[in-house]
Amino acid sequence: NAGVTQTPKFQVLKTGQSMTLQCAQDMNHNSMYWYRQDPGMGLRLIYYSASEGTTDKGEVPNGYNVSRLNKREFSLRLESAAPSQTSVYFCASREGGRNTEAFFGQGTRLTVV
Amino acid sequence: QKEVEQNSGPLSVPEGAIASLNCTYSDRVSQSFFWYRQYSGKSPELIMSIYSNGDKEDGRFTAQLNKASQYVSLLIRDSQPSDSATYLCAVNRDYGGSQGNLIFGKGTKLSVKP
Repeated sequence: NAGVTQTPKFQVLKTGQSMTLQCAQDMNHNSMYWYRQDPGMGLRLIYYSASEGTTDKGEVPNGYNVSRLNKREFSLRLESAAPSQTSVYFCASREGGRNTEAFFGQGTRLTVV
Repeated sequence: QKEVEQNSGPLSVPEGAIASLNCTYSDRVSQSFFWYRQYSGKSPELIMSIYSNGDKEDGRFTAQLNKASQYVSLLIRDSQPSDSATYLCAVNRDYGGSQGNLIFGKGTKLSVKP
């Protein structure tokens, strides 16, 4: 059982380049999330999708776009990467409902130079 | 005030001692609370969840919730070096009928010394 799978695991971008981080879950979960984690900052919510076809902004959405392609997949796009977007990105999914656990992917370490 | 607050630590305890990790939250309507453990370079994994006031025990771990004080804690008994990690407190932010989303604290780094 793969759970939540993120690709790629590592990426180096030049300032101004674009890229898409992919996330897929095989647990039939309704809700999916993108977080970024910076040293000393904990996990900060970028965007989330409560169900297929819906997306909403989180705490730090500027510079990002998302697509909930289907129930399994939730992608995060950086249109014009900036050094401030250097971070570790985690995708997570939940079945739905306030009392449900979030499962995390293995993370993507992104460096923007 | 940040929505979920934790002491960043590091918290250092000797092996075999009790480690106490604390978290406060600002949204009074929150109903669901989670503790995640994150080893360095790894993704977070769930340790405990708690939804009702009082204590919830699972092995060496006890979660405590006090909604009136907006306070949730995690106790680790008989701490082991393998417990050395960052512990993240997460609170579900409800939006009316929506299940809401998880808001995390900055985490407390725990170090258990042999």
